[in-house]
Amino acid sequence: AQSVSQHNHHVILSEAASLELGCNYSYGGTVNLFWYVQYPGQHLQLLLKYFSGDPLVKGIKGFEAEFIKSKFSFNLRKPSVQWSDTAEYFCAADPGSADGLTFGKGTHLIIQP
Amino acid sequence: DVKVTQSSRYLVKRTGEKVFLECVQDMDHENMFWYRQDPGLGLRLIYFSYDVKMKEKGDIPEGYSVSREKKERFSLILESASTNQTSMYLCASSHPTGSYEQYFGPGTRLTVT
Repeated sequence: AQSVSQHNHHVILSEAASLELGCNYSYGGTVNLFWYVQYPGQHLQLLLKYFSGDPLVKGIKGFEAEFIKSKFSFNLRKPSVQWSDTAEYFCAADPGSADGLTFGKGTHLIIQP
Repeated sequence: DVKVTQSSRYLVKRTGEKVFLECVQDMDHENMFWYRQDPGLGLRLIYFSYDVKMKEKGDIPEGYSVSREKKERFSLILESASTNQTSMYLCASSHPTGSYEQYFGPGTRLTVT
């Protein structure tokens, strides 16, 4: 079965630290990849997405992610986090169809001021 | 902006009750989805729909059914609510082609006592 795994369930960082959240997927062929964020009490919203082309994808709020096909990975990065980045982050994938996304279990990120 | 609305933010029901969760989107999207979100488990797909009167089972359809009588509306039905269905339920919609980016509603937190 297709799956998405996120390496860290809870991450605590200080402001200005660099962030990298790991994500691996198990699809063998074409894959679309997403990172969603859920701020406390808010909707799930899209941070960034990859379909094809440049494997380095830039999203909102200074986030970026790199698609490495050989490693089946799509890690999320931010060079300097802020307190307002405290949220739950979800990696998701689909095999190029419209059958719904497969989500990872999420990473709860806490930024300490 | 795409808007996905859900009928209730919070709902408390008793075991055995029939429960209806409603979702409406205003962007003329063909595809609609129902997920449940549980701590440590991420989002799991319950059902999705490609078009009016069409439905497909997701990863965890047991105990649920759906209805799509109009393009903009997708209802999730718990025929006989049980305590293990206490969860956050998220509705999403997307176009059937292109990016498959899904737009999420605010969620309904359902408690079954």
